[in-house]
Amino acid sequence: NAGVTQTPKFQVLKTGQSMTLQCAQDMNHEYMSWYRQDPGMGLRLIHYSVGAGITDQGEVPNGYNVSRSTTEDFPLRLLSAAPSQTSVYFCATERGGGYTFGSGTRLTVV
Amino acid sequence: AQSVAQPEDQVNVAEGNPLTVKCTYSVSGNPYLFWYVQYPNRGLQFLLKYITGDNLVKGSYGFEAEFNKSQTSFHLKKPSALVSDSALYFCAVRDSGNTPLVFGKGTRLSVIA
Repeated sequence: NAGVTQTPKFQVLKTGQSMTLQCAQDMNHEYMSWYRQDPGMGLRLIHYSVGAGITDQGEVPNGYNVSRSTTEDFPLRLLSAAPSQTSVYFCATERGGGYTFGSGTRLTVV
Repeated sequence: AQSVAQPEDQVNVAEGNPLTVKCTYSVSGNPYLFWYVQYPNRGLQFLLKYITGDNLVKGSYGFEAEFNKSQTSFHLKKPSALVSDSALYFCAVRDSGNTPLVFGKGTRLSVIA
């Protein structure tokens, strides 16, 4: 039982490049979300999904796209990376009030 | 809209002394309250949660938290701190509907031997 798996763990991008952060879960949880963590800012919600085919914006959605074609996967896309997107990204699932977090992706945009 | 305040960026405590990490919240309706801990270069680990029932919630690693509805607080406590408790602690809240979890900015706990 892997829980929530995020890939890659580390990534360096050049400004303007695109990439997809992967998040996969094997717990059959309907609710999934993406957060970014920045020093002194806590965790801020980027996008979330309450089930396959349904997504919604969080507090800081600009510059990010998501889709949810299956229950298991919730990828986060950066279409044109900017230095302001340098951060640690966490994916999380939720069921019955309990949240499970992935181990994070550390992204640096230069 | 939900919000969480952790008024202290840093808490220092001597090993063996009791510790408290403060959290206040704002939410419409009944709150679901959580504490998470993050060790360096790691993800978030669940400590405890309050959804309903007893106001004193016991969690992992000897931590507990007290829900105080009148003061809208959910302070994290431990009777005797360990050096290994040094980490970043996050309080989080959501309402009883299917709304996202909102986090505080975190409090760095440093336990000194």
